[in-house]
Amino acid sequence: DTGVSQDPRHKITKRGQNVTFRCDPISEHNRLYWYRQTLGQGPEFLTYFQNEAQLEKSRLLSDRFSAERPKGSFSTLEIQRTEQGDSAMYLCASSSPRTVSTDTQYFGPGTRLTVL
Amino acid sequence: QKEVEQNSGPLSVPEGAIASLNCTYSDRGSQSFFWYRQYSGKSPELIMSIYSNGDKEDGRFTAQLNKASQYVSLLIRDSQPSDSATYLCAVSMDSNYQLIWGAGTKLIIKP
Repeated sequence: DTGVSQDPRHKITKRGQNVTFRCDPISEHNRLYWYRQTLGQGPEFLTYFQNEAQLEKSRLLSDRFSAERPKGSFSTLEIQRTEQGDSAMYLCASSSPRTVSTDTQYFGPGTRLTVL
Repeated sequence: QKEVEQNSGPLSVPEGAIASLNCTYSDRGSQSFFWYRQYSGKSPELIMSIYSNGDKEDGRFTAQLNKASQYVSLLIRDSQPSDSATYLCAVSMDSNYQLIWGAGTKLIIKP
């Protein structure tokens, strides 16, 4: 395993359905991040884990969004009752900083969500 | 409101020339600076990180940081068509996990 992996790569769903995305970080990376990116914008931070602890979730877009990292390895991001405005690329990144100031994040390929 | 600003472009540069990409940031407490490259439909890929004032070179890429002016730049020498992409600047504070991102500059290298 040489990089961050995400599954699925593409998801098409109907409005109102629930979707779940999975992220597998680089082995032994203790930090895991979720971002959303829409066309023409930089990534928008959603939430962040250090090991299994979710240390920041106030930036999740609404209470329809939730994330877990139960054993400190892979993570899931769930969106309930999807809306057309949720259509975006959902990116996962991981890092393993020696110091906070050298926290370099490496991204997975992303999951492209389309809500019809 | 912490902000990172980039010219959206597109910036068009002839093949073989130097491409210069610029980024300004609003938070003087920022300590870590990153340049990512993103091809259309793909995820961001790390190009360079820089933490101290001055220049940092890696192959054809040079990152320049001036904390007093709150300015970070990326120079690409001997530009190739494969360098055509959107370049994202990201900034974080020391002791803070969160990256603040610019919207990116679209770079086009013309053969």
